[in-house]
Parts: sequence; C-alpha cells; structure tokens
Amino acid sequence: DAGVTQSPTHLIKTRGQQVTLRCSPKSGHDTVSWYQQALGQGPQFIFQYYEEEERQRGNFPDRFSGHQFPNYSSELNVNALLLGDSALYLCASSLRGGRETQYFGPGTRLLVL
Amino acid sequence: GQQLNQSPQSMFIQEGEDVSMNCTSSSIFNTWLWYKQDPGEGPVLLIALYKAGELTSNGRLTAQFGITRKDSFLNISASIPSDVGIYFCAGQGGGADGLTFGKGTHLIIQP
Repeated sequence: DAGVTQSPTHLIKTRGQQVTLRCSPKSGHDTVSWYQQALGQGPQFIFQYYEEEERQRGNFPDRFSGHQFPNYSSELNVNALLLGDSALYLCASSLRGGRETQYFGPGTRLLVL
Repeated sequence: GQQLNQSPQSMFIQEGEDVSMNCTSSSIFNTWLWYKQDPGEGPVLLIALYKAGELTSNGRLTAQFGITRKDSFLNISASIPSDVGIYFCAGQGGGADGLTFGKGTHLIIQP
C-alpha cells in the first residue's frame, strides 16, 4: 500500500521565481491538504483540495495556489518567491473531504536564496 | 497563523523513564491528534482522539482528549531510544477543517 509521495525532495530557487511542488495521495484517498513548516515550528495549514476544488484555506496570500487532478494528485504553486517562503512543504491525504485522519508525506524542502 | 500551546518545548530524560506532554488551546476542537516527526521526514500519526474525555492507548503511548475540548495530553511509558524525535499535537475544529498544530516537544533520551 503506497503512502503519500511528494516530489521533488529538495529544491533551491531565487527570490521572485515561481515553484511547483507535487503530491500523490495514499492509495484510496481523495483529499489533499498542503502545509508549510518553517524551521522549529509546527506545520501551518495552507489549503485543502477535494473533488478538484479548493475547499478550505488557511492564512496564506494568493501567491500560493494549487490544483487537484482527476486522479486525486495535487500541485502546490508559489509565485514571486520570498526568502520567507523557505520551509518544508508537507502534503497530507485523507478521505471524504478531510473528515478522516490525515496522513503526511515526507515533504519537499524549499530554499529561497 | 494560530498555533496550539504545547509544553514542554524540550525534555531530556533517561531511558526507561515515563514522559508526559500536553497541549492547550483557547478554541474548542472536535478532534485531537498526536504526531511524531523524525528529522527530514513528515509527521507520522500516533494517536487520534474523537470524543471529549476519550482515553486511547497505542502500545506504550496513551493520550486523552480533555473534557473541555481545549486540551489534550500524551504519555509515553518506559521510554526507549527510538522514541527520540519531535512530538506534535494537532487540533481539528470542524469535520473538514485543516489541522492546527502546536510548536512541538523535542524528546531527547540519554542512555
């Protein structure tokens, strides 16, 4: 049973660039949530995708956008990168629009220079 | 963004000792979760609590959902070296809400 997978594992970008991160949910899961984890902090909720729509959103600017595909996989896009966007980006998958337990992937480490 | 109040921030204990950590919030949550995160990896679910007052065990781990719905604790009995890591509490308000996390408790075990 494949767990949550994310790609790439690490990424280095410069300020002002754009980045796309990818997530494949756990087999059988239909909901994907994205979190940002700064160094020394707990994860912060960015948004959740279910039925190919953004259903919930945390306190993040619209530079952060996403997409969910018919196979339930998801992308997180960040435009106009800032130094403060450097963090571990975590994807979590679950069932039924997030009403079931969320399982996390290993994350993508983004460094913005 | 909002974070839960998790304490202690770090713990230095001897192998074999029991561990206790807790999490409080100013808001009510309908679900409390405890995760463990090892360096370079994502959080792994340890225990999920769905009802106020619920006490749940998973091996040497025991967690409780506070009756006010604003707090939870996690106990680890007879700690072993592989218990080292960062433990996070997380609360979920509505059924489909994103999770709100604490800042984590760093557990360090001295052999």
